Amino acid sequence: SAVISQKPSRDICQRGTSLTIQCQVDSQVTMMFWYRQQPGQSLTLIATANQGSEATYESGFVIDKFPISRPNLTFSTLTVSNMSPEDSSIYLCSVGGQGSTYEQYFGPGTRLTVT
Amino acid sequence: AQKVTQAQTEISVVEKEDVTLDCVYETRDTTYYLFWYKQPPSGELVFLIRRNSFDEQNEISGRYSWNFQKSTSSFNFTITASQVVDSAVYFCALSEAMTTDSWGKLQFGAGTQVVVTP
Repeated sequence: SAVISQKPSRDICQRGTSLTIQCQVDSQVTMMFWYRQQPGQSLTLIATANQGSEATYESGFVIDKFPISRPNLTFSTLTVSNMSPEDSSIYLCSVGGQGSTYEQYFGPGTRLTVT
Repeated sequence: AQKVTQAQTEISVVEKEDVTLDCVYETRDTTYYLFWYKQPPSGELVFLIRRNSFDEQNEISGRYSWNFQKSTSSFNFTITASQVVDSAVYFCALSEAMTTDSWGKLQFGAGTQVVVTP
């Protein structure tokens, strides 16, 4: 199974600032995804991080607010820009699955609080 | 469009009781994957099972079992002889098949909170 780490694990940020979340995988993976889980809610996909090209965003999410980088097959970053209290959520990185090698594993998440 | 419905918001049981979590899905794809995840109070997501649409065999893993019925678009999850450690939110999820052997983004249900009391 893939081992996924995220940094930071949690942060408290002031409104109007930006935070970049890092996701590191211990092996090369084709697909990486970023999800958001608002308090007491389910998970919602923000975007698919594509290696070598722009991320693919889901409806309701835009690049200016959530810029994503994917410089190689083991690493991705998600930035939450110009934060407001509504951005307080857990942000999770996930790697896609293929065959019996990987299930859809998730990183431990980044718990963000915006004050 | 894909949709996953977990109609049960919360289920409370006493330890050793069985609990069944319902999951109903909608998809136009003929090939897809279904998942169950556990999210304990600590917050991490724990993978429990993946099932592809070709495989309707039920599965048992210890105290966990899953009943996949394509005819009713359901993928239900049963915990037998529940324990306090089973207290968590359980999510059902659906993914389209990218190829016959890979899948992509997940569409999650709303989740079911399971509370097991001693």
